[in-house]
This record gives sequence, C-alpha cells and structure tokens, in this order.
Amino acid sequence: GQQVMQIPQYQHVQEGEDFTTYCNSSTTLSNIQWYKQRPGGHPVFLIQLVKSGEVKKQKRLTFQFGEAKKNSSLHITATQTTDVGTYFCAGPTSTSGTYKYIFGTGTRLKVLA
Amino acid sequence: EAQVTQNPRYLITVTGKKLTVTCSQNMNHEYMSWYRQDPGLGLRQIYYSMNVEVTDKGDVPEGYKVSRKEKRNFPLILESPSPNQTSLYFCASSLDRVNYGYTFGSGTRLTVV
Repeated sequence: GQQVMQIPQYQHVQEGEDFTTYCNSSTTLSNIQWYKQRPGGHPVFLIQLVKSGEVKKQKRLTFQFGEAKKNSSLHITATQTTDVGTYFCAGPTSTSGTYKYIFGTGTRLKVLA
Repeated sequence: EAQVTQNPRYLITVTGKKLTVTCSQNMNHEYMSWYRQDPGLGLRQIYYSMNVEVTDKGDVPEGYKVSRKEKRNFPLILESPSPNQTSLYFCASSLDRVNYGYTFGSGTRLTVV
C-alpha cells in the first residue's frame, strides 16, 4: 500500500540552529498537510500545501511541496525550545476505491537550550 | 468551543474484556477516523468514516470495530482486547477527507494486560 516515510526519525539541535524534516510518499499526493504534536499532546494541524512546487511560510517555518508532488519538507529557522515536538506530514491516499488519510512516520525534534 | 472529545483518557483492562472508546465532535464534520500511535510507527489509521453509516477499514483494522449511527459520534470497539492493542489512540475529524485540516481528540492511552 501507499507509504509515507519521514527522515530523520529523531533530531537534536542546539537552540538557534536550523532544522529540516523530509517527507517522501511512495505515490503522488493530491495535497499534503503538516501537523505538530507536543510531548504528551495530540497532533495539531499546521498547514496544507496543494500545488506542485508550492512554498508557504509561517513565521520561522517554511513548508515546501515537491514538483512531482511525492515529497515535502518542513524547515525551521533558528529553533526555539517551543519548537520541541514531533512533526508529521499527512495526506489523502490516491488509491482508487479507498478514502484513507495517512500519516508519515514523524520526526521528533528536541531543542537543547 | 469546536472540539473532538474522547473518553476515557486512560484505560487499563484485561485481555478479552470488551471495551468501547467514545469519540464525539461538535463541528458537523463529515470525515472521522481512528488512529493508533506506537513508537517509531507514527499514526496508523484503524478505521474511517466518510459519513453516517459509511465506514471502511484503514491500514490496521484487525481486532477493532466502529460504527457511525450519528454524524457526531464515532466509537471504537475492541470486542476482545489483546496485549498487542496496548497503544495510544486518537480520534480525528475533518470537514472532508481532502481539503481541510484534521482536528484531533486528546487521546486515549490503553493498556491491555
């Protein structure tokens, strides 16, 4: 079935350093969404990307959707301790006859003060 | 307040004792879904529902049942829980499967002994 992998699985950074997580799908995605889950919390929707090559920014966060719509990235500039958590990409499956909504494996970010 | 309400938050049960985790949303969302979260595996979809009386299997449906008799409620039923169903469970909903972000419940941590 369709799979969505994220790398790295874990990342420890010093506060102020940049961070990037990559999301790769085995098939084309109609759109992609990103979520953040704080430790002990639930996933919270951040943003949705729809168009091939689309780039969106939210303050220090930059989201990009690949040209082939099979990959995406989230880049955080100058990380802060409030960025700690697990970041997931997610999207609707493209398999005919199914209406699943699947998540990537997630990247856990730890920021050291 | 727009939200997805899950109960209970924590549950310890014994193998084979039927249980139900409730999920209710107050946003008139069409699409609802259950996920389980396990370390290193991300969020895996158990079942989903496109609308009332329309449900289908996700990627890990074995050992679970669901129903969608009303639009707002989507309970998860474990008829005969086993230790491998020990996990963190999330209910989520969205206006539709594709175009909107998902709202998650606070999660249910289930331990089966």
